[in-house]
Amino acid sequence: EPEVTQTPSHQVTQMGQEVILRCVPISNHLYFYWYRQILGQKVEFLVSFYNNEISEKSEIFDDQFSVERPDGSNFTLKIRSTKLEDSAMYFCASSDGGGAYGYTFGSGTRLTVV
Amino acid sequence: AQKVTQAQTEISVVEKEDVTLDCVYETRDTTYYLFWYKQPPSGELVFLIRRNSFDEQNEISGRYSWNFQKSTSSFNFTITASQVVDSAVYFCALSEEETSGSRLTFGEGTQLTVNP
Repeated sequence: EPEVTQTPSHQVTQMGQEVILRCVPISNHLYFYWYRQILGQKVEFLVSFYNNEISEKSEIFDDQFSVERPDGSNFTLKIRSTKLEDSAMYFCASSDGGGAYGYTFGSGTRLTVV
Repeated sequence: AQKVTQAQTEISVVEKEDVTLDCVYETRDTTYYLFWYKQPPSGELVFLIRRNSFDEQNEISGRYSWNFQKSTSSFNFTITASQVVDSAVYFCALSEEETSGSRLTFGEGTQLTVNP
């Protein structure tokens, strides 16, 4: 069964450093998403991406965040200058068409900012 | 704006008991989709079920069953004869058809602990 692959599974970074979280969505999917889950809390939407542009973003997704689909297969989330409060699990997901088709989630990247 | 409420923060049961996890949602769309996900201690999100807003039939899959009631905006999840392996956080989520990008809105989650 096709999978969404996220790397790395765990990343530790120093406050103020830039990090890039990588995702390989399912190849024929059209919609891509990033979600965040702070430890012990709910899963929160960050951004959706369709047709090579952001289609929706939440208030969490400020100027420190950016997304890119650099080569037609990878989908990346960049945090420019990490803060302690960016420590969380980040999930990538892809979909053929949103809720009607369902979503496939990756297994997540646990980001720890020290 | 879409919203999902899971009022039960934690539930603890003894193995073989039945347990129901509640989910109440808010949406202005007429077409929407409801989901349940399981998050075991390992952290990944495991898909359990998707329902669309036009299909109110209850669904049963093994020990799992779901009760969708539009009249009360609820989509409750019942585990029959619970097992220790059912211990996890369970999230209910909503996706609206008309919202561009069709993002998922998750509830706060219910931590289910099944004791032997």
